[in-house]
Amino acid sequence: DAMVIQNPRYQVTQFGKPVTLSCSQTLNHNVMYWYQQKSSQAPKLLFHYYDKDFNNEADTPDNFQSRRPNTSFCFLDIRSPGLGDAAMYLCATSREGGTGKNIQYFGAGTRLSVL
Amino acid sequence: TQLLEQSPQFLSIQEGENLTVYCNSSSVFSSLQWYRQEPGEGPVLLVTVVTGGEVKKLKRLTFQFGDARKDSSLHITAAQPGDTGLYLCAGARWDGANNLFFGTGTRLTVIP
Repeated sequence: DAMVIQNPRYQVTQFGKPVTLSCSQTLNHNVMYWYQQKSSQAPKLLFHYYDKDFNNEADTPDNFQSRRPNTSFCFLDIRSPGLGDAAMYLCATSREGGTGKNIQYFGAGTRLSVL
Repeated sequence: TQLLEQSPQFLSIQEGENLTVYCNSSSVFSSLQWYRQEPGEGPVLLVTVVTGGEVKKLKRLTFQFGDARKDSSLHITAAQPGDTGLYLCAGARWDGANNLFFGTGTRLTVIP
């Protein structure tokens, strides 16, 4: 059974039209992450939530925002998508317990196309 | 700055051959994970190594963590087409950050 669920799997939007991607988890993990991944590259961290605390990466464009209304759900909002934002967006979760392992569990991703 | 460098970046081999993927860094990690990602899917965790010098086996896959916790290797014996995918190493650190530092990735294709 899927533990990190991303919807939709495929999203097509128009240049400049806001889009929201969603992620839910059944693991009750306290940390949730959003990554952007372009073809055959490693995932690039955009931001993460540690419980309700939002942590933005320094190089994440302002065009990308996130919301976490509760433990189970996290959203990625792209306010004005550009052609360069076409990518796979991955959500991941981890249970931060000070073990230093930071094992992350990924969803299947949302493939975003921008026309 | 890329903390973890993987080599090779691309690898295409025949079914039945052996291969090794390397993950190198000048930084020390508290643990290191290996993920495999198939096209159109998210990365799937294969293994976590924690202790310097640790060796873990997962069927035909053997993972080793360097003694100094700065590098790791993945060896696949008798590769199968089902092993095809993007292999990612990722390191965690003790500094309290909740981030994983991903390697540059190795795209493996196993030809039947």
